[in-house]
Formats: sequence, C-alpha cells, structure tokens
Amino acid sequence: AAGVIQSPRHLIKEKRETATLKCYPIPRHDTVYWYQQGPGQDPQFLISFYEKMQSDKGSIPDRFSAQQFSDYHSELNMSSLELGDSALYFCASSLVAGGRETQYFGPGTRLLVL
Amino acid sequence: QKEVEQDPGPLSVPEGAIVSLNCTYSNSAFQYFMWYRQYSRKGPELLMYTYSSGNKEDGRFTAQVDKSSKYISLFIRDSQPSDSATYLCAMRQRGYSGGGADGLTFGKGTHLIIQP
Repeated sequence: AAGVIQSPRHLIKEKRETATLKCYPIPRHDTVYWYQQGPGQDPQFLISFYEKMQSDKGSIPDRFSAQQFSDYHSELNMSSLELGDSALYFCASSLVAGGRETQYFGPGTRLLVL
Repeated sequence: QKEVEQDPGPLSVPEGAIVSLNCTYSNSAFQYFMWYRQYSRKGPELLMYTYSSGNKEDGRFTAQVDKSSKYISLFIRDSQPSDSATYLCAMRQRGYSGGGADGLTFGKGTHLIIQP
C-alpha cells in the first residue's frame, strides 16, 4: 500500500539559510499535518491543511510557512534557520474511515542546522 | 507542566511478560486517545484509537481510557522482542469534522525494551 512520502529524507543547512520540505500524502487523503520532533522529544504539532486551506495551527514559528497544493502535496518552508530547528520533521496525512480519522505518518525529514 | 505526561523509561521486561504503559493528561477537553509505536528513525505508526472510557482490545494490545482520572493505558500481552520500540500516547480535542481536525498532542514516549 502507498504510504506518505517525504523529501528529502536528510537535509543539512547552515544557520540563516532556508529549507523546503515536501510531503506527498497517501492518494485520496485530503488532510496533511506537519510535526517537529526534537532529539529525545515528543512530536510537536506545527500546522495542518484540509482541502488546501489551513485547518489548524500549533507551535509553528513565524519563520516557517506551509501550504497545500492542488495535487494535495504540501511544502513546509523554513527561513532564517537556527540551530534549534535541527529536528525530525514528520508529515502525516489522514482519511476518515468508519467515522474516525486516522493519521498516517511519513518517514520524516531529518534536518541538521550547522 | 506539559498537557500530557508519560514516563520516558526505558522500560525493560523479559519476553512473554505483560507490558503496561501509561499516560496522564491535564486537559479535560481531550476526547480522542491514540497509541503510536515508533521504531528508531521511523515515523509513528498507529496502534490503537479510542474515544470513550473503557477498554478496547486488538490482538495482543489493549487500550484503556479513564476520563474521570485523566489516565490512559496500553497493555501488551505476550511481549516479543519485535515490540521493542518507543510508544507514544497522543490525544486531541476535536474529531474529524469534515473540515479537518486539530493536531495531536503527544506524550514524550516510553522506550520499551523486550529482552529475549
């Protein structure tokens, strides 16, 4: 079965640079979520999109922005990178099944800021 | 204080033992509760999804929710070395409303080690 695809899988950037992370949801999924997981930390919700519109917003810094495109893929844009942005970034997509919504997580993009 | 508290472990048990994993939460608005399993360098994988207080069983896994105590548990029977992973509890306030749903609030995860 198709899973959530994230690219790139690994990314190394320097401070103050920009980065763009991409997420391709499972086909027919209409909702995308972004999470940030620091070393030894729990995933922190950043932002979500439903049908290309922002649905919910969590602890996303102002330096970050995201959008969902017409083909439902999503991109997380990160500017003025800081050392503390080094983390694993997960994308999840969801589908309503049997009256409940299940989030399926991608493998993550590991970002290292030097 | 974090909204969701979970002992990070590590929790080490012998193969075949019953494992008990727990989370407590402070926000009484949480209504939907999940358990995820995460292997090293992988994305979280959904194990259990519950809404109401009570027990839900799926194979070797049983999820228990006590909303009055703001306490949820995951039990693993006949534990196997392949169960060694980090187990994250997660919860949300709203369900899917057709307009998208809110993000999940996770616990820190418990690192579980099943000794062969």
